[in-house]
Amino acid sequence: EVHLLESGGGLVQPGGSLRLSCAASGFTFSTYAMTWVRQAPGKGLEWVSIISGSGASTTHVESVKGRFTISRDNSKNTVYLQMNSLGADDTAVYYCARGMTPKIYDFHMDVWGKGTTVTVSS
Amino acid sequence: DIQMTQSPSSVSASVGDRVTITCRASQGISNWLAWYQQKPGKAPKLLIYAASNLQSGVPSRFSGSGSGTDFSLTISSLQPEDFAVYYCQQGDSFPYTFGQGTKVEIK
Repeated sequence: EVHLLESGGGLVQPGGSLRLSCAASGFTFSTYAMTWVRQAPGKGLEWVSIISGSGASTTHVESVKGRFTISRDNSKNTVYLQMNSLGADDTAVYYCARGMTPKIYDFHMDVWGKGTTVTVSS
Repeated sequence: DIQMTQSPSSVSASVGDRVTITCRASQGISNWLAWYQQKPGKAPKLLIYAASNLQSGVPSRFSGSGSGTDFSLTISSLQPEDFAVYYCQQGDSFPYTFGQGTKVEIK
């Protein structure tokens, strides 16, 4: 069964850092692009970051550029989101999702994890 | 950024009703449009990809159409389990963006 499991969320002070992880199982991980999508409390969905199957291509939404870094370890079937300089606007449920091809272009998400909650507060 | 505008923002409907949700992109996105269903406290679920392709395992009462800037999701006969929020998403250009969501409520 195809499965994604996020971890690493929690309460962090403004200006702090967190690293989210997403462990994948049930499919050939390196042949799919992976992405992070977040959802602030009571709000809609916001795409955050994406990485190609090989890990060679990445990009982020403008609001997190320079603060968030997406990476992956295909030997561990895991994708990561390193989040620095966190602010209240980053408070959200963070979902890991799988793309339908290895590339970051022409992108839809066919498998989602259950999400991990990040709360930025003093 | 490409803005995705869904209408209506909410709709009240009864079991068995036909429901159509529209999504308009601020610029052409070819057919790179997906629809997701989200229930409270749950992750989104892919229903339709590339505008009109039904995702495996999704009931055939869901269908999608459109290209360019105007798209629609139709539920042909609403079932109790279909009451949820629906989002469109463009996968054509960075940053990928979602519509604001359409809540389908019980009438």
